[in-house]
Amino acid sequence: QSALTQPRSVSGSPGQSVTISCTGTSSDVGGYKYVSWYQQHPGKAPKLMIYDVTKRPSGVPDRFSGSKSGNTASLTISGLQAEDEADYYCCSYAGSYTYVVFGGGTKLTVL
Amino acid sequence: QVQLQESGPGLVKPSQTLSLTCTVSGGSISSGSYYWNWIRQPAGKGLEWIGRIYISGSTDYNPSLKSRVTISIDTSKNQFSLKLNSVTAADTAVYYCARAPDTVVVPAEDWGQGTLVTVSS
Repeated sequence: QSALTQPRSVSGSPGQSVTISCTGTSSDVGGYKYVSWYQQHPGKAPKLMIYDVTKRPSGVPDRFSGSKSGNTASLTISGLQAEDEADYYCCSYAGSYTYVVFGGGTKLTVL
Repeated sequence: QVQLQESGPGLVKPSQTLSLTCTVSGGSISSGSYYWNWIRQPAGKGLEWIGRIYISGSTDYNPSLKSRVTISIDTSKNQFSLKLNSVTAADTAVYYCARAPDTVVVPAEDWGQGTLVTVSS
């Protein structure tokens, strides 16, 4: 049982937009501005896509954007491309004792 | 560009100690400004942060694993290591080592390729 709740799967057609939600509590997502998102292709290590809720590391396309409202964070991917098909994991700071917790992951299918 | 590479036994017997090493190349582990992390992922499941170490030797561990985990650093070899004792089948997973800047609250920015560790007799 993961600490953060994500939908198991989402899908969209090329060119469309999809949003993946990540629900936590006031002790993690809702309490801090430190939500990050990782993309993982099969058999590969995860890749950091978003940090500090909305910031993109260098090299990540601006098609990827993050937001947060209350205890729920969201990752939006616009202009879907075939290469975006992957698993996506959210991660949140949860205080100095726990440090970070992850979501269970969402499989994105590009139709 | 920094590279991280995990190494260690791929098979560990129940109740024994899992030991992995992460070798860092393309940069000095002593340069500071980074946390060195271990993260694992059981097959078909999500990610779990195990713990991290700073160049000062300061460590933080996942509370659910804290009693069984030790992370250490060897600057002379540009390596850091993970020891997880009293393992069970539930510890079977791909183990990743990773680097995270100390200015950002993320468990990992740069990752190793991961190594599968199976706990079985």
